Amino acid sequence: NAGVTQTPKFRILKIGQSMTLQCAQDMNHNYMYWYRQDPGMGLKLIYYSVGAGITDKGEVPNGYNVSRSTTEDFPLRLELAAPSQTSVYFCASSYAKQGQETQYFGPGTRLLVL
Amino acid sequence: QQQVKQSPQSLIVQKGGISIINCAYENTAFDYFPWYQQFPGKGPALLIAIRPDVSEKKEGRFTISFNKSAKQFSLHIMDSQPGDSATYFCAARAWDSNYQLIWGAGTKLIIKP
Repeated sequence: NAGVTQTPKFRILKIGQSMTLQCAQDMNHNYMYWYRQDPGMGLKLIYYSVGAGITDKGEVPNGYNVSRSTTEDFPLRLELAAPSQTSVYFCASSYAKQGQETQYFGPGTRLLVL
Repeated sequence: QQQVKQSPQSLIVQKGGISIINCAYENTAFDYFPWYQQFPGKGPALLIAIRPDVSEKKEGRFTISFNKSAKQFSLHIMDSQPGDSATYFCAARAWDSNYQLIWGAGTKLIIKP
């Protein structure tokens, strides 16, 4: 199993550009999450999904969009990139079952907006 | 009330010593308390977790102590090793939260050889 994979690993965007961060998992997890981690800070939840076709906002959703058309994929879309979106983005997945709720994280995408 | 407060922000411990990281919460609906470990350039990974029906859980050199009345839980790393140098995050999840975790701000731990 590859676990949770994320692409790209690193990207530089100009202000106002758009991009999609890709996330895929092969563990058949129903829950998937997008977090951002700013330097020296904890994880902030951007969006999450409880299954294909179902998404919901987290703590910091502004400036982002998500979709979940399959169980495996959960892309994060940045529209009109701003310097405040410079961060490291982590995708995670988990089961929704007590005792198996460990969140498994991808390696992250480092985004720099200039 | 949804916050998890983690301290200290950074910690330096000599090799072989005990590392202690503390977290506090207010929400009595929290029923799951994991600790995650993150190495530089990697995503966080689950280290150990506890539920409020026990006061302590031990896995190797890592122990979670849980004080339900004080709404506090802590991670103890015994015989700390340089390989334990990482950032540690506590988190908590409420039973009615759709499996969302509320994260502490993290503690950067450095073990000096």
